[in-house]
Amino acid sequence: QVQLVESGGGVVQPGRSLRLSCAASGFTFRSYGMHWVRQAPGKGLEWVAFISYDGGNQKYADSVQGRFTTSRDNSKNTLYLQMDSLRAEDTAIYYCAKDRAAEVPFYFDFWGQGTLVTVSS
Amino acid sequence: SYVLTQPPSVSVAPGKTAKIACGGNNIGSKSVHWYQKKPGQAPLLVIYYDSDRPSGIPERFSGSTSGSTATLTISRVEAGDEADYYCHVWDGTSDHVVFGGGTKLTVL
Repeated sequence: QVQLVESGGGVVQPGRSLRLSCAASGFTFRSYGMHWVRQAPGKGLEWVAFISYDGGNQKYADSVQGRFTTSRDNSKNTLYLQMDSLRAEDTAIYYCAKDRAAEVPFYFDFWGQGTLVTVSS
Repeated sequence: SYVLTQPPSVSVAPGKTAKIACGGNNIGSKSVHWYQKKPGQAPLLVIYYDSDRPSGIPERFSGSTSGSTATLTISRVEAGDEADYYCHVWDGTSDHVVFGGGTKLTVL
């Protein structure tokens, strides 16, 4: 069965960096696009980033463009989110999600359980 | 940027039908997907491509689109359906994924 397990969350000071990981299993990871989606406390879902099956196509929400970078290592079945210049408003649970397609976003057919990032001094 | 509008809340008695709307400009030209989100749990896909249901999702869940509104319909509502529901589209103009603000379904 499909499993997505996020890790790397924690408490970080404003302006610092953090890298999240998402370990995938139960499907052919290298064949699918992947996303990061977050949910701030008491708020709705917010899409963060997308990366195509081979890493060649990446897209970002305006709120994180230029500060966050998503990447993947298909040999390790792992997705990453490098978060730089963190702000208090980046505080959220971060989910990785599998897309049903490879090259462009369609919809999220499986989600991980999420990892909490808290940006606070 | 493209905006999806959902009512903040919908309430329904057990056994009745709940309808959750998702409004957007020319939404009929886009594919709409729906997710269920319960506290402490990962989101769950319940409808994709406007009206298709993933395996394992009860037939009580259905989707439709008409005019500028997509609708998630839950028939014979059960207590376990209480959750937040989000609609989602891909906006090709902005190259962004867009979520609606979410609707909290309360089962009375």
